[in-house]
Amino acid sequence: AQKITQTQPGMFVQEKEAVTLDCTYDTSDQSYGLFWYKQPSSGEMIFLIYQGSYDEQNATEGRYSLNFQKARKSANLVISASQLGDSAMYFCAMRDGGNEKLTFGTGTRLTIIP
Amino acid sequence: DTAVSQTPKYLVTQMGNDKSIKCEQNLGHDTMYWYKQDSKKFLKIMFSYNNKELIINETVPNRFSPKSPDKAHLNLHINSLELGDSAVYFCASSQASGGGTDTQYFGPGTRLTVL
Repeated sequence: AQKITQTQPGMFVQEKEAVTLDCTYDTSDQSYGLFWYKQPSSGEMIFLIYQGSYDEQNATEGRYSLNFQKARKSANLVISASQLGDSAMYFCAMRDGGNEKLTFGTGTRLTIIP
Repeated sequence: DTAVSQTPKYLVTQMGNDKSIKCEQNLGHDTMYWYKQDSKKFLKIMFSYNNKELIINETVPNRFSPKSPDKAHLNLHINSLELGDSAVYFCASSQASGGGTDTQYFGPGTRLTVL
């Protein structure tokens, strides 16, 4: 069965610093996708970044990058130059190749301090 | 030009009532989903439809019944509401089924409160 683990329930980071949010996963499938979503206090779920299991390069989207270490089964999200608007819950999720559903981690609440 | 929309955004109702949440996507996607987010922020899949056909039905009480009139709409009807049904319900959609790479895009959520 798929499992996603986010071990940091909360993080406080100074504005403009980089931050790494941890995510480890467990699956027996060779083909899978890893996703990060942001949920601000307003409640919506915003897609940030995607990494496929066969992608050789780490995914990047603007200030977001995904540090994908396949052998360690980790998919950490790195946010560079953090901003106050980055304060939110962040969810790591996985989808197996033959599976429709996303399995989510428990989330990390990130607070950016001015 | 909203991609995935849900109505209503907030729903407050009494125990025992029946209510519906509507979802529409204008992304041309084939697959739609319902997720439930509990009070601890944990998100879990409930249902998935591909081209109006049910493909995932997690262990959800049969008081919950999804209905897909066409591939752009997936509504959630809940009978005999219970206190434990209070949660945020998210609709989502993705391009196709069966692929790990398809990104799911979420609606704004519906916060259901059962009194």
